[in-house]
Formats: sequence, C-alpha cells, structure tokens
Amino acid sequence: AQSVTQPDIHITVSEGASLELRCNYSYGATPYLFWYVQSPGQGLQLLLKYFSGDTLVQGIKGFEAEFKRSQSSFNLRKPSVHWSDAAEYFCAVGPPNTGNQFYFGTGTSLTVIP
Amino acid sequence: NAGVMQNPRHLVRRRGQEARLRCSPMKGHSHVYWYRQLPEEGLKFMVYLQKENIIDESGMPKERFSAEFPKEGPSILRIQQVVRGDSAAYFCASSQGQVRTEAFFGQGTRLTVV
Repeated sequence: AQSVTQPDIHITVSEGASLELRCNYSYGATPYLFWYVQSPGQGLQLLLKYFSGDTLVQGIKGFEAEFKRSQSSFNLRKPSVHWSDAAEYFCAVGPPNTGNQFYFGTGTSLTVIP
Repeated sequence: NAGVMQNPRHLVRRRGQEARLRCSPMKGHSHVYWYRQLPEEGLKFMVYLQKENIIDESGMPKERFSAEFPKEGPSILRIQQVVRGDSAAYFCASSQGQVRTEAFFGQGTRLTVV
C-alpha cells in the first residue's frame, strides 16, 4: 500500500541554522514527489517537485530536496532558516502519469526561534 | 489571475443537515481535486474531477458524499446528513492538465458539525 512517513512531528530550529525535514515513502514504482508548505489558515503552496532526472531539485524560498531511490526518501533542506519559514510542511507522493491524486504525510510543524 | 477560490471559508452545520462546499478553479484549469484534512493529520485525497466527469473517486466515502464539476460553474462537494466526524478542513486544488502540471490549492473550507 502507498504511504508517506514524516517521522518528525515538530521541529524547532534557530534562525540562521540549517534545516532538514525527513520524508520516506512506500510506493510500487517511482512516484512523483512533492513538498508543500502550509501557513496557518492558508492553503498549500508548492515548494518543489521531482518527476525524473537530476535527483537534487531546487525549489522556491531557498529550499532544495534530494531524491534517494535506495532509501525511498525525499528529504527537504534549507541551509539557513528565516523566521518566515515557520509553518507546516507536507511531503506528498503522486502516481506517475495519472494526475495529482496525492498521498500526503502527516506533516512536520516547524518553529523558528530568534 | 485569481487563485483557487473556495467558499465558504467556514461552515457550521448541525448533525443531519447538508453541507455544500464550492470550489472555483483557476482560470484555464479544467482538473479539480478535493482533499480532506482531519485535525492533526495530513490531507487525504477524496476525488478527482474533470469538467462533467468524475475521473477518480477512490478516496470518497461510499455514503453521503458526492462531488460534481459541471460544464458551467464551480465544483461542488456535497455532504448529506453530516455527522461530527465530518468536521474537517476541505481543500480543493486545480490544475491545467493531468500529468506533470502543478496543482494549486485553495485556502480551504473549515466545516464544523455541532
């Protein structure tokens, strides 16, 4: 069965520190992979996506993610966190070639302290 | 170009009433997806529609829930005879195409059943 695991429910980092949010998935084939960010009371905004090719993908707001097939992981990273990055982050996988029916992880809540 | 518009933003219904949630996709988008987010959980895919057609309803509860996307007008998610367990945030997303096209999310409708 398809599933997405975000093992860290909540992470706190200091402003300016580096960040890594973990995501592991279980899927029958290599899916499409996504990271979304949700600010309180808002919808989801796409940070980055992976379909194929280069396994290191760059996104908006200085985020990047690396697809590791051997580990079934798609971890999100940022070298220096800003206070405005505080939000909920969701990893999602989608079936290749059939649309945007995603499986979402349960999310990681990020707190940034000054 | 306005984003995905959902209304109402907040909806309160008594048990047994009907809830109607509306989603107007972005201009030029003909693919609509509905997701449900229960408290402390990630988003769960419900249904995928293209104009006048249901493409994938594998995530829809078998009873009381229905969705439509008519030729004219917004997509509607309808919940009949609501129960407390239906209380959640319901998000709509739209995309221009089916494959490898970004899905844009609305701000959601927060349904509370009292």
